[in-house]
Amino acid sequence: LAKTTQPISMDSYEGQEVNITCSHNNIATNDYITWYQQFPSQGPRFIIQGYKTKVTNEVASLFIPADRKSSTLSLPRVSLSDTAVYYCLVGETAAGNKLTFGGGTRVLVKP
Amino acid sequence: GAVVSQHPSWVICKSGTSVKIECRSLDFQATTMFWYRQFPKQSLMLMATSNEGSKATYEQGVEKDKFLINHASLTLSTLTVTSAHPEDSSFYICSARTSGANVLTFGAGSRLTVL
Repeated sequence: LAKTTQPISMDSYEGQEVNITCSHNNIATNDYITWYQQFPSQGPRFIIQGYKTKVTNEVASLFIPADRKSSTLSLPRVSLSDTAVYYCLVGETAAGNKLTFGGGTRVLVKP
Repeated sequence: GAVVSQHPSWVICKSGTSVKIECRSLDFQATTMFWYRQFPKQSLMLMATSNEGSKATYEQGVEKDKFLINHASLTLSTLTVTSAHPEDSSFYICSARTSGANVLTFGAGSRLTVL
């Protein structure tokens, strides 16, 4: 399983863009990159997933360079409610394949 | 979308008793579910992989006799914390993925407090 490395924490202000980079140097060919958000005392919630290049949905963008050894989650115009822990997970997507969580990045959005 | 329900959301029990936590996939069938444990301000730690109709696969360091997992149907997995002690107090989270789907769906979690 590819190990991931993320910054422990990041501070931002309302309305700013937040970019969180995750390193996964030993990512395998069949691995996808998935980001989850977790609020205190809740289960993680899916944000976005990608394999290569750029993926965008209604809440975030995911940038993946050609070598796929890292990825960057971009949260546009954050609000106070985006304060949470963000996890980058790397692994195969078959139903039985387990995913291991790294340390995550604690994002604090200030007014 | 896929929904995973956990019950109870929180439970308080006395030391030495056993507690069962249920994890249900509400609108899909899950041949595999995963159980995680999370201590305050820490990341999720995978405890075991629950396989429908067969024995669970436990991660290294997780006592299978302590944390009993049963996956009797395609929509239900249970985690029983046997003879609970205060150090078992934690946040337990289950997850599942539909066959062929790329995304892991998590339950809301169950907070266990052992007095």
